[in-house]
Amino acid sequence: DIQMTQSPSSVSASVGEGVTITCRASEDINNWVAWYQQKPGQAPKLLISGASSLQPGVPSSFSGSGSGTEFALIISNLQPEDFATYYCQQTHSFPLTFGGGTKVEIK
Amino acid sequence: QLLLQESGPGLVKPSETLSLTCNVSGFPISTGYYWGWMRQPPGKGLEWIGSLYYNAQIFYSPSLKSRLTLSVDASKNLFFLTLNSVTAADTARYYCARGFDGYNYNFWGPGTLVAVSS
Repeated sequence: DIQMTQSPSSVSASVGEGVTITCRASEDINNWVAWYQQKPGQAPKLLISGASSLQPGVPSSFSGSGSGTEFALIISNLQPEDFATYYCQQTHSFPLTFGGGTKVEIK
Repeated sequence: QLLLQESGPGLVKPSETLSLTCNVSGFPISTGYYWGWMRQPPGKGLEWIGSLYYNAQIFYSPSLKSRLTLSVDASKNLFFLTLNSVTAADTARYYCARGFDGYNYNFWGPGTLVAVSS
């Protein structure tokens, strides 16, 4: 199985600031990474597929980068609705695997 | 509008069988796409359980494969999860979802919480 190691596990930031979340795959997965946002009591929401392709309706303040084994989710100009937990997921092969999650909290 | 809704028992006794249903509305399962199950233990991260493509492939998590069956009733637009011999480690919120390529899931149900306890 491909392991996805996500860091940090939590980060505090203020409204208007930016944060970067990283995800490392245990082997080369090209650009086969998705990013999800999950708010308390809600199902995950797909933000980005293919490492950098924004899903329809996702604000441009979200962006993704990386290839091979190193990936990043960048959130610029944090808004109150962006405070949530974020997960990476490898979309290279079955079994699908997720990172452990990063909780973005308000400072 | 595509909607998914999970349903299940809420509470299952250890060693018994967990059966969940995902009711899909707004899109025929038989038309295409992948349909999957994920779960999330309370306060923890996401785990992929399995995915299927109608009348074609079914993929199972290796860690659950010996206890797991995924199936579809296209006539009722439902798909199902059956997990045998459950333990407390199977306590989680279970989600059904639709994936546009089997790997990326862009439509999710709200989830159903299942507790395994005597």
